[in-house]
Order: sequence, then C-alpha cells, then structure tokens
Amino acid sequence: KNQVEQSPQSLIILEGKNCTLQCNYTVSPFSNLRWYKQDTGRGPVSLTIMTFSENTKSNGRYTATLDADTKQSSLHITASQLSDSASYICVVSGTGNTPLVFGKGTRLSVIA
Amino acid sequence: DADVTQTPRNRITKTGKRIMLECSQTKGHDRMYWYRQDPGLGLRLIYYSFDVKDINKGEISDGYSVSRQAQAKFSLSLESAIPNQTALYFCATSEGRISSYEQYFGPGTRLTVT
Repeated sequence: KNQVEQSPQSLIILEGKNCTLQCNYTVSPFSNLRWYKQDTGRGPVSLTIMTFSENTKSNGRYTATLDADTKQSSLHITASQLSDSASYICVVSGTGNTPLVFGKGTRLSVIA
Repeated sequence: DADVTQTPRNRITKTGKRIMLECSQTKGHDRMYWYRQDPGLGLRLIYYSFDVKDINKGEISDGYSVSRQAQAKFSLSLESAIPNQTALYFCATSEGRISSYEQYFGPGTRLTVT
C-alpha cells in the first residue's frame, strides 16, 4: 500500500533555532516528492518539489533532501521565525495521473 | 485576488440536507480537484476533473457528487449530509498531469454537519 509517514507529529522550538522534519514513503513507482506548508485555516502552499535525481533543494530558509534509495526525505528549517508556525505536509507523487499520497503532517510551533 | 477561491468558507448544516461547495479559479488550468482533510489524517481525494467533460472518482467519492460547469468552476455536492462528512474541504488546480505539475489549493471550506 502506498503510504507516507511523517515524524514527529508535532514539534515546539524556540525562535531562531533550526529543526528537521522527516518523511518516509512507500509509494511506487515514484515521480516526485513535495513539501507543503499549511497555515492554520489556509490551503497548503508548495515549498519544494524534488524528482528522483535531486538530492537537495532549497527555498530560502527551507532545505529539503531526498534519498530515493531509502525512500526518505527531510525538511530542514534554518533560523526559525514565528511565521514558520504551521503544518508541514510531505506529499509523494506516483507516475501519470495516480492520486498524490499525502502524509498527515508535522505541526510546528515556533515560540518566542 | 486569489487564484483559487472557495465559497462558502464556513458552513454549518443539518443531517440530511443537500449542500453545495463551490470552487472558482483564474489560473486557466484545465485540471481541478476536490479533497477533504480530517484531523490527524492526510488530505484525501474525492473527485477530479481533467476538463469540462472528464470527471473521475477519487478514493473517497461515496456520498459526494461534482459538477464542472466551466473550465473555471468545479462544484462539490453532498446530496444528504451526514455528521462524518464534517471536515475541511479543499479545491485545487493543476496545469497538467498530477505527477508533473504543481497543485494550487484554495483556502478551504470548513463544513460542520450536525
């Protein structure tokens, strides 16, 4: 069964600190892996999309890594800000028009 | 103005009532999708449409129906709402096939069925 597992479920960090969120998947065949940020009461917004051949991709203070061999990805947030408080969702795409497989998300709270 | 809009943003309805959620987009995308999000679960696909004449069931279509009135409009209906349909509903669009193109989500509709 195609699944995406994220850890931790929730995380609280102090403003200015770094953190890393994890994503493991069993989706096959694999096309790409996406990280979304979802603010409370809003729709998900894309942070990165990584294909099989990409190991690392950055978007400002967000850096995603992908190990397609072990089917693992991480999202590293540097120098966190209060506005980083949100849910971060890992999404894996198979090939063609197969539906995206969504993780349950990691709820990040950044406190002053 | 937002590229993908949803109305209403919040709705409370009673069991057995028919309700329609509407989605409009100005991105010019052919493909549109309806998802639901429940606490502690990932988003799940309800229905998707590749164009006005092509509508497909997703993984949880039972109890729902859709209508693609135009390229820019995609509506989701609950024919007879039940409490376990209480959830956050998202509309999304994409330019091309889902494996290759970005999805853009609307702001969501919070539906409560009492």
